[in-house]
Amino acid sequence: AQSVTQLDSHVSVSEGTPVLLRCNYSSSYSPSLFWYVQHPNKGLQLLLKYTSAATLVKGINGFEAEFKKSETSFHLTKPSAHMSDAAEYFCVVSDLAGGYNKLIFGAGTRLAVHP
Amino acid sequence: DGGITQSPKYLFRKEGQNVTLSCEQNLNHDAMYWYRQDPGQGLRLIYYSQIVNDFQKGDIAEGYSVSREKKESFPLTVTSAQKNPTAFYLCASSNPGGITGELFFGEGSRLTVL
Repeated sequence: AQSVTQLDSHVSVSEGTPVLLRCNYSSSYSPSLFWYVQHPNKGLQLLLKYTSAATLVKGINGFEAEFKKSETSFHLTKPSAHMSDAAEYFCVVSDLAGGYNKLIFGAGTRLAVHP
Repeated sequence: DGGITQSPKYLFRKEGQNVTLSCEQNLNHDAMYWYRQDPGQGLRLIYYSQIVNDFQKGDIAEGYSVSREKKESFPLTVTSAQKNPTAFYLCASSNPGGITGELFFGEGSRLTVL
C-alpha cells in the first residue's frame, strides 16, 4: 500500500531565505506524487505534480520538487520565501490499486514566514 | 468561472441533529469526493462517486451518507450517528480523462457541534 510521510509538522523561515519541506513516500510501483497548498480556511490548490516524466518538477509561485527514487523522496523547495507563502502544504501520493483515483495525504507541514 | 462551490461555509449543529453540506461543480467532472480534515491528520476520504447514481465508501464513511443524482451535485449528510462530527469538510472533483490524481477542491465547510 502507498503511504506518505511529511518529516516536519512545522517549518519557520525568514522572508527571502530558502524553503525546504520534506516528504518521503512508500509505493510498490512508480507513483504519481503531488504537492498541494492550503491557505487558512480555504480549499487545497495544486502546486505541482510528478507523473513519471522529468524528475525535477516546476510548479506555481516559484516552487519545485525533485523525485528521487533511490531515496523515496519528493521534497518541495523554493529559493526565496515570500510572506504570501505562509500556509499548510500537503504531500500526496496517488493510489490506483482500488481502481479509482485515491489520493493518500500526508499530515501536512505548516510553513511560517517571518519578516 | 468554473469551480466547486461548497455551502454553507460555517455551520453549527446541536448533538443529535442531521446536517447536509452542499457541493456543486460546473467543471463537467465525472468524479467527486468528500474529505474530512482534522488538525495534524491530513485529509481522510469519506465517500467518492465516479459517476452519477453511483458512490462508494471511503476510509471513514461511518456516520455519513451521500447521494449523486446529478453530475453537478454531491451533497454530504452528517448524521447523528457520527460520533465526532466537528471538522472541516472538503469537496473535490476530478476528470478521469485528465491527469491522474489531480483534484480540484472547494473552499470547505466548517462544522461545529455544540
